Amino acid sequence: QQPVQSPQAVILREGEDAVINCSSSKALYSVHWYRQKHGEAPVFLMILLKGGEQKGHDKISASFNEKKQQSSLYLTASQLSYSGTYFCGTEGVYDYKLSFGAGTTVTVRA
Amino acid sequence: DTEVTQTPKHLVMGMTNKKSLKCEQHMGHRAMYWYKQKAKKPPELMFVYSYEKLSINESVPSRFSPECPNSSLLNLHLHALQPEDSALYLCASSQISRGHNTGELFFGEGSRLTVL
Repeated sequence: QQPVQSPQAVILREGEDAVINCSSSKALYSVHWYRQKHGEAPVFLMILLKGGEQKGHDKISASFNEKKQQSSLYLTASQLSYSGTYFCGTEGVYDYKLSFGAGTTVTVRA
Repeated sequence: DTEVTQTPKHLVMGMTNKKSLKCEQHMGHRAMYWYKQKAKKPPELMFVYSYEKLSINESVPSRFSPECPNSSLLNLHLHALQPEDSALYLCASSQISRGHNTGELFFGEGSRLTVL
């Protein structure tokens, strides 16, 4: 079952902050975050696991509320290189497969 | 080597053709995946192989036939496809951690398929 992402799109100026949200209707084992630039493959940013373990990118942070089945990705002091489509992926406790949300297109302007 | 290599990058085929997409990784990952991605849409899971065995088939039509000959290679055999099957086909690999849960995915650049 596909997670729900919001917002659908966001436009930022360099240095501004943004938050992307991801929510699921099922109990989650993990939440993944990926960024895909136009014409390129998705690139791993972050994985958050049930129980609090995290692994990922130094300059991008995320949170995972297990009880609410929600995750948020925080883009802080955005740079031009942050532009792209951000996908959250969720894996249920019982289904062992990663399903991606519809994506959030981030445009960072100088 | 942290790359997943996919060939061909572009493929045009007719509805009666048989073709194959290939994927290779040398990171020692024991899970490999096929995803399908349409324009402006998220990747959709098609197949998962764990330890060279098919573990997930997301009700994919039989005109798509996956194969995992060894731990480094993953193929997707295509036969009698429809125009709506035109898409970017992404291969990915990951370590297997904590049982069967999905680890960090390393994606290839994809094979862009056009079915005429």
